[in-house]
Amino acid sequence: NAGVTQTPKFRILKIGQSMTLQCTQDMNHNYMYWYRQDPGMGLKLIYYSVGAGITDKGEVPNGYNVSRSTTEDFPLRLELAAPSQTSVYFCASRAGTAKETQYFGPGTRLLVL
Amino acid sequence: QQQVKQSPQSLIVQKGGISIINCAYENTAFDYFPWYQQFPGKGPALLIAIRPDVSEKKEGRFTISFNKSAKQFSLHIMDSQPGDSATYFCAAGDQGGSEKLVFGKGTKLTVNP
Repeated sequence: NAGVTQTPKFRILKIGQSMTLQCTQDMNHNYMYWYRQDPGMGLKLIYYSVGAGITDKGEVPNGYNVSRSTTEDFPLRLELAAPSQTSVYFCASRAGTAKETQYFGPGTRLLVL
Repeated sequence: QQQVKQSPQSLIVQKGGISIINCAYENTAFDYFPWYQQFPGKGPALLIAIRPDVSEKKEGRFTISFNKSAKQFSLHIMDSQPGDSATYFCAAGDQGGSEKLVFGKGTKLTVNP
């Protein structure tokens, strides 16, 4: 049982490039989330999904897109990378009960230059 | 009104001492209050959570105190150990509302041996 896995661990992008951050969970959780964490700040919700085929915007969705074709996978897409998107990105999932019990992946550190 | 204010930003405690981290919120719709622990290079992990129907919850050396009228809650770590050195985030959410979990900015705790 690997929990929530994220790839890559670290990536450097040039301004304007695109990339997809991968997130997979093996706990059969319906709910999945993408957060970004900037230095000295708490986590900000980018997008979330309540089940396969259903996604919705969080607090800071601009510049990102998501899809949820399966229960296990929830990729985050950056279409035109900007320096403001330099951050650490965390994927999380939870079961259908207590909202507070989110399981986080190890994170992807992204640097946009 | 969606903010969760966390203090202090950093905290240094001697081994065996008590670590206290405070959080305050404004949105009265919040009805669950988790604390997450994050070690360097790792994703946050749920440490302990409380609902507003109780004023205190204890799990081992970790205790949450909750003051509904003051809209404040705090984390107490008794007999602090060097292994407790991490960043702690408080958060607040609405079980019946959106999926958004509002995080504080975090407290970096250092426990000296």
